[in-house]
Amino acid sequence: DQQVKQNSPSLSVQEGRISILNCDYTNSMFDYFLWYKKYPAEGPTFLISISSIKDKNEDGRFTVFLNKSAKHLSLHIVPSQPGDSAVYFCAASANGGTSYGKLTFGQGTILTVHP
Amino acid sequence: DTGVSQNPRHKITKRGQNVTFRCDPISEHNRLYWYRQTLGQGPEFLTYFQNEAQLEKSRLLSDRFSAERPKGSFSTLEIQRTEQGDSAMYLCASSSEQDNYGYTFGSGTRLTVV
Repeated sequence: DQQVKQNSPSLSVQEGRISILNCDYTNSMFDYFLWYKKYPAEGPTFLISISSIKDKNEDGRFTVFLNKSAKHLSLHIVPSQPGDSAVYFCAASANGGTSYGKLTFGQGTILTVHP
Repeated sequence: DTGVSQNPRHKITKRGQNVTFRCDPISEHNRLYWYRQTLGQGPEFLTYFQNEAQLEKSRLLSDRFSAERPKGSFSTLEIQRTEQGDSAMYLCASSSEQDNYGYTFGSGTRLTVV
């Protein structure tokens, strides 16, 4: 049972343009969502998060949008840079609006930003 | 503090052998997590500790798997009687209750069972 789904295995974007990565979830108990970035041979690194009481969170070039009614979230990267090329994972928790405890991850989307 | 450290980085073992991995979390973090990642998939939760107490275990953690965190510091994950299906990247992460910025992951231990 895949409770967090990233339906696009890969995304290719030109440098300077916007990258939009999507994530859908099925468990209505999820109340906190995170995005992680992973480079080869490294562990995932935390990027940005959003609580279910918000619909948008912004941090520099990264913005996460949450649509609770559609059980959908997206990560926008503007402008995209070649160094953003990595695997991006969406994750969710049902731990009272925190990231503590168990996280459920999506399958990941490989982002390639071309110079 | 250099972050979450995992050893070994790579382990090749024969089917049926036992293996043990070690994770050293960030020193001030009281929570420690183990995940498993297979090719093309995201990390899957195995178990987590708050200090030395194991608070939750996934049904993925069969009776061949055991994790410990003595004295609430480093943790070990042991797999007994390894099977080829155990081949995966085993990731350790830690976090503090004082922040809500997600885990800090280690670089993982890649296990290959031949």
